[in-house]
Amino acid sequence: ETGVTQTPRHLVMGMTNKKSLKCEQHLGHNAMYWYKQSAKKPLELMFVYNFKEQTENNSVPSRFSPECPNSSHLFLHLHTLQPEDSALYLCASSRQGPPGTIYFGEGSWLTVV
Amino acid sequence: RKEVEQDPGPFNVPEGATVAFNCTYSNSASQSFFWYRQDCRKEPKLLMSVYSSGNEDGRFTAQLNRASQYISLLIRDSKLSDSATYLCVVNTGRRALTFGSGTRLQVQP
Repeated sequence: ETGVTQTPRHLVMGMTNKKSLKCEQHLGHNAMYWYKQSAKKPLELMFVYNFKEQTENNSVPSRFSPECPNSSHLFLHLHTLQPEDSALYLCASSRQGPPGTIYFGEGSWLTVV
Repeated sequence: RKEVEQDPGPFNVPEGATVAFNCTYSNSASQSFFWYRQDCRKEPKLLMSVYSSGNEDGRFTAQLNRASQYISLLIRDSKLSDSATYLCVVNTGRRALTFGSGTRLQVQP
């Protein structure tokens, strides 16, 4: 059982929809991350939060909007996505940033139709 | 040039074989190094950290060559359960880890 939980595990949304991905970590960590994993591509870092403050935005389009209300919770708000945004979205946490080991949630499989 | 480069494979090996994966990284200021394992449609999980002096964990041996900016993973006596994608991961000094695209291993009976 992972210490990082993500919901929903699977999401299908239309291009005009608004949805959110949720991540919660139970490890007492202070840094949280969103990564995107598309087929046959490496994991791409999207956002980093350290002690609730965003410390990195890796040139992510504004249709992805992160929110970190506290060190244990991280959201990714999605709106007007494109089919090429279909991917596995992985949340992760670490004790602090810059990280040694990071721990991933099981991911949210997103399909944009 | 990619920050972390790996041979994508797949490596198809019989049970009991020894297999080695290589990885190169571009940032000479990189500070820490890891191998993660990712099973099909699952999240990546830490396999082992990589230390400058080399380190071993059971059947797995990791090596780091800072001069050549090269990391390796050796798996001895391969098991069917070793079938997975192995991700080379580097802390390049940014605020998060950088992942290679992975090397796929398929161990066959």
